[in-house]
Amino acid sequence: DAGVIQSPRHEVTEMGQEVTLRCKPISGHNSLFWYRQTMMRGLELLIYFNNNVPIDDSGMPEDRFSAKMPNASFSTLKIQPSEPRDSAVYFCASSLVQGQETQYFGPGTRLLVL
Amino acid sequence: GESVGLHLPTLSVQEGDNSIINCAYSNSASDYFIWYKQESGKGPQFIIDIRSNMDKRQGQRVTVLLNKTVKHLSLQIAATQPGDSAVYFCAENIGSNYKLTFGKGTLLTVNP
Repeated sequence: DAGVIQSPRHEVTEMGQEVTLRCKPISGHNSLFWYRQTMMRGLELLIYFNNNVPIDDSGMPEDRFSAKMPNASFSTLKIQPSEPRDSAVYFCASSLVQGQETQYFGPGTRLLVL
Repeated sequence: GESVGLHLPTLSVQEGDNSIINCAYSNSASDYFIWYKQESGKGPQFIIDIRSNMDKRQGQRVTVLLNKTVKHLSLQIAATQPGDSAVYFCAENIGSNYKLTFGKGTLLTVNP
């Protein structure tokens, strides 16, 4: 299995631009998570999908952030407009079922907003 | 242990020594725990997990110990190798809740 796939691996953009991050979960996994990692705040859960449905988006910082999961094999996290404080590493993770199952992380997208 | 702000706890060991990384978890109701390893520039990688009905679980070169009385988790790495150098995170989970609560991490440096 290829594991969780994320693209792009690195993104540099200017303040105000739209940023779209992409994720392909492990085949057969029905739970998908988007996390943000910074030195100051560590790993933060942004949003959780189960069976393609957003279950908990309480971690999404503000309306500039949105996430979609149109099918079981693809999800996007969009930031519009981006701001310098959005600079972080964004991880996608998937797990087999909801609940006490291991979450497997992708390699992350390192975002820098200038 | 856990850290606040920018500074991660660090552990420096010699190659071949055993390493012990500690984690104090926050919620006495947590009943599932995972250790992750994160190498520079990579995503967290699952190492080992343990459920609260156990106090010890062993994997390949790794052992996790759980002390529910004092809410303490430890990861022991035997015969530490340079490739073990990474940040190690513990994570806790309650019941069938999907949320993992991550610790701040410990930086392990293995000196050749």
